[in-house]
Amino acid sequence: AQSVTQLDSQVPVFEEAPVELRCNYSSSVSVYLFWYVQYPNQGLQLLLKYLSGSTLVKGINGFEAEFNKSQTSFHLRKPSVHISDTAEYFCAVIKYSGAGSYQLTFGKGTKLSVIP
Amino acid sequence: SQTIHQWPATLVQPVGSPLSLECTVEGTSNPNLYWYRQAAGRGLQLLFYSVGIGQISSEVPQNLSASRPQDRQFILSSKKLLLSDSGFYLCAWSVTDGNTIYFGEGSWLTVV
Repeated sequence: AQSVTQLDSQVPVFEEAPVELRCNYSSSVSVYLFWYVQYPNQGLQLLLKYLSGSTLVKGINGFEAEFNKSQTSFHLRKPSVHISDTAEYFCAVIKYSGAGSYQLTFGKGTKLSVIP
Repeated sequence: SQTIHQWPATLVQPVGSPLSLECTVEGTSNPNLYWYRQAAGRGLQLLFYSVGIGQISSEVPQNLSASRPQDRQFILSSKKLLLSDSGFYLCAWSVTDGNTIYFGEGSWLTVV
């Protein structure tokens, strides 16, 4: 079975400061990992994904994440946050469920609050 | 490019009334389609997924049902809503055998 743990439910950070949102996963097989962002009252937008290859993945809005197999982690980072980054961030792992379909398992989310 | 739309965006329904949320995808053929629910304190939960017309898989037994009458149309329904059905419902899609899932704008359902 696969699971995702986001270690912080809320992260406040000052504008222009760096931020790291932590995500750990458990899986008995190779994984595909994702970060999604949800702005207030909106759907989920894909930030970045790791499928294979380079362990450092760059996404939209200046975010990046690093896949660490030995630590089973996929932490999200941004060197300097902006007010507009205030949102909830979800880490997810995907599994193949058969018949051409994949299913996402999400963490519980981390609410990032950027303080002016 | 592909787009996904779902409606209505907001819905307030009394207990015991029916529900119909609709989702359509444009710009692709034979997508995999998904319905997720996001309820307070319970995170994101997969409700249904479909790999083709008329093919529906249910992940969680509940008061809801899904149908796929056309290739790019996915409908979430209920005959009688419960208070516990309140939440944010998200439709999503991927290409067949695709390992990346894209989400719609979501629909807020409040059952009163």
